[in-house]
Amino acid sequence: QSALTQPASVSGSPGQSITISCTGTSSDIGGYNFVSWYQQHPGKAPKLMIYDVSNRPSGVSNRFSGSKSGNTASLTISGLQAEDEADYYCSSYTSSDTYVFGTGTKVTVL
Amino acid sequence: QVQLQESGPGLVKPSETLSLTCAVSGGSISRGYGWSWVRQPPGKGLEWIGQISHSGSTNNNPSLKSRVTISVDKSKNRFSLKLTSVTAADTAVYYCARHGGWHFDLWGRGTLVTVSS
Repeated sequence: QSALTQPASVSGSPGQSITISCTGTSSDIGGYNFVSWYQQHPGKAPKLMIYDVSNRPSGVSNRFSGSKSGNTASLTISGLQAEDEADYYCSSYTSSDTYVFGTGTKVTVL
Repeated sequence: QVQLQESGPGLVKPSETLSLTCAVSGGSISRGYGWSWVRQPPGKGLEWIGQISHSGSTNNNPSLKSRVTISVDKSKNRFSLKLTSVTAADTAVYYCARHGGWHFDLWGRGTLVTVSS
């Protein structure tokens, strides 16, 4: 299975909004509403930020939001803060009853 | 709260078998969740390795073919990963994770496994 496609890097100034895309196929993102997003700071384990396309776990800031259109999912971070600087990965359930991650996006706060 | 902790050798020789265990504390492994292994080569992205469901059925990443075995030991509240015939390409930080549905809602801190002679 091929990794989902994400931009290598996205940057923004404090207070701005940024959006990270995650493109897959009809066998994963397009076929199910089971897209999730993870934040990973250097040397740390990933942290769940969004699940089932647009749901936020308890404790995650409402500055993080998710959406999906066709085979592409998106994560938007509004009111960008220094602490948001990290790597972000999308993931999707697939028609093979497996999971696939995205290639990862490095978010830089300018 | 529930916590996950990976353990196992940090160094494995090429062609040998990598064996890791994930201890579940603060809750029962039999509570109805699924459990997965995910790895991350140094400086690279995440790769899903495989999972074991609460019913005991398993499913693995096709790219790893038949090298992966995931099992659960309910008596010790832990689950395990075995990866056979390892090469340098299997060097990575290995994470165990819990399925909260079709996502990974809880992760261990990860353990680095290096494949080298």
